[in-house]
Amino acid sequence: NAGVMQNPRHLVRRRGQEARLRCSPMKGHSHVYWYRQLPEEGLKFMVYLQKENIIDESGMPKERFSAEFPKEGPSILRIQQVVRGDSAAYFCASSPLGTGEGEQYFGPGTRLTVT
Amino acid sequence: AQSVTQLGSHVSVSEGALVLLRCNYSSSVPPYLFWYVQYPNQGLQLLLKYTTGATLVKGINGFEAEFKKSETSFHLTKPSAHMSDAAEYFCAVSGTAYGNNRLAFGKGNQVVVIP
Repeated sequence: NAGVMQNPRHLVRRRGQEARLRCSPMKGHSHVYWYRQLPEEGLKFMVYLQKENIIDESGMPKERFSAEFPKEGPSILRIQQVVRGDSAAYFCASSPLGTGEGEQYFGPGTRLTVT
Repeated sequence: AQSVTQLGSHVSVSEGALVLLRCNYSSSVPPYLFWYVQYPNQGLQLLLKYTTGATLVKGINGFEAEFKKSETSFHLTKPSAHMSDAAEYFCAVSGTAYGNNRLAFGKGNQVVVIP
């Protein structure tokens, strides 16, 4: 059973460009979470999605950031008009359950660098 | 806001010595508790978790943690450090006080093992 897959692993964008980060959850998992890791900080929750639904986006910046998890295909985290402060590692996690006690399985992350 | 505290961003330990990483949470309602490990340029891997039941939890790679409700703590230990334990360790919580479906992370401990 393949783990959580994320691509690309590294992404370089110039200021003002768009960044698209993809996440394929583990087989059988319908719950996807996105986290951001800034230097010298722990991971911060961004958004929780189930298939075709955003359940909790309270950790997402109000502007420029959006996420989706379509019926078919991977979950996408989209950052429009990137700025230097968006440079970070973005991790996706999936779980078979949507409860707090369920383990979340993490992907290897996408490291975004904005130049 | 509810929080997770990990003291000491960098922890040095001699090979063969005890590893002790401290984690305290702030909610009055005991959360679900997790320890994750992150190796360089990789995603997070679950070491162990506490949901209910026995308060001493054993995990992978010889690690264990004890939930102490009276101290609101979930400290991670390993009796004898190995060079391969060099990594970053994150304490995380979930549950109703933290948004239930998300993990809230501490800032992490970077563990260095000295030969």
